[in-house]
This record gives sequence, structure tokens and C-alpha cells, in this order.
Amino acid sequence: DIQMTQSPSSVSASVGDRVTITCRASQGISSWLAWYQQKPGKAPKLLIYAASTLQSGVPSRFSGSESGTDFTLTISSLQTEDFATYYCQQTKRFPLTFGGGTKVEIK
Amino acid sequence: QLQLQESGPGLVKPSETLSLTCTVSGGSISSSFYYWGWIRQPPGKGLEWIGSIYYSGSTYYNPSLQSRVTISVDTSKNQFSLKLRSVTAADTAVYYCARHHQLENWFDPWGQGTLVTVSS
Repeated sequence: DIQMTQSPSSVSASVGDRVTITCRASQGISSWLAWYQQKPGKAPKLLIYAASTLQSGVPSRFSGSESGTDFTLTISSLQTEDFATYYCQQTKRFPLTFGGGTKVEIK
Repeated sequence: QLQLQESGPGLVKPSETLSLTCTVSGGSISSSFYYWGWIRQPPGKGLEWIGSIYYSGSTYYNPSLQSRVTISVDTSKNQFSLKLRSVTAADTAVYYCARHHQLENWFDPWGQGTLVTVSS
């Protein structure tokens, strides 16, 4: 199985801050990566797929990038509604696997 | 707008079978471009893909659960279902159904999720 490791596990930030979350794959997955946002008590919501393609309706302050087996989700200017837990998922092959999550908390 | 809704018992006894159904509305489950998947999340933990099914009945399971899982589809009802046999407390989780893009393997949208507790 492809293991996905996210870091940090949590981050404290203020509104307006730039936040970066990293996800590392245990083997090469090219651009086969998705990012999700999950708020407490809610289902995950797809933000980005193919490492950097924004899902329709997702604000442009969210962006994704890749460098080898490292992937980054960036929130350029954190908004109140962005406080949530973020998960990466490799979409390269079955079994599909997720990272452990990164919780973005209010500083 | 496509919507998915999970339904089924919220409490299952150890060693019994967990059964859930996902009803799809606002679109057809018989789409050529999508699978239909189940994902679970133990309380306070991360996400685990259980498996997915195509409208034709082709299935793809997580090997970690494959021996206990069956996913089926009923196109006439626009529903797909999950059965997980011989459950233990470790199977206690919120179970989500979701549309699964056939080529790109992402999940969107998701159902609201249903908590299933395994306890006697």
C-alpha cells in the first residue's frame, strides 16, 4: 500500500496568515493526489485533485503543488471558515489511502 | 445537484453484520464515469477507504477488509449497499458513501455520514 504522511498534525494560525500543509507519499505517485477539507461533524469536501487542480467552487486562496513525492496545500490568506482538518489522499492506485490529517486551529 | 444519503442501524452487536445503504438522488448511479464508494472514519481518527462499486457490479475492495466486505448495487433504486461481517469494536466509525471518479479516484460529493457503533 502507498503510505501518506502529513505534517504537521496541527497548526495554529490567525486570520490572514499563509498556511502550508505537507503530504509525503511512500512511493512515486506523479500528480495523483487529492486534498479534502473536513469541518467538525461534517463530511470531507474535495478541494483539489490532480495535485493542483481546484475543484469547482473552491476559493482561489487554496492551491496545491508537488515536488517529487512531496505535496503541499497552501491557503494564501486564512479565513475564519478555513479552520478545519485537511486530508490528502493518493489517487494513483488501489487501495486508495489517506494521510492522517492536519488540523488548522485558531491561534 | 447530486446528493447521497446513508441509512442503516446505528448499533450492531459484535460478531454480527453491519449493513448500510446509500441512496443517490439528483443523478443516476448508472453513470459511465463514476464508481460509488464507502469510506469510514473511527471517532477522532482518519479516513479509510473500504471499497467501491461500478454500476455494472464490478467491485474494488481494500485488502485489509476484503475478507469481510461485500458491496452491491441496485440500479433500479439508485442505491448501493455495504455489508461488513463479523464486526468488532474496531469497526465503530462514521461510515460515508461518496461518488468516486473512475479515472482520477477522488471522492465528491460525500453523504453526511452515519455513525455505527459496535457494542453488545
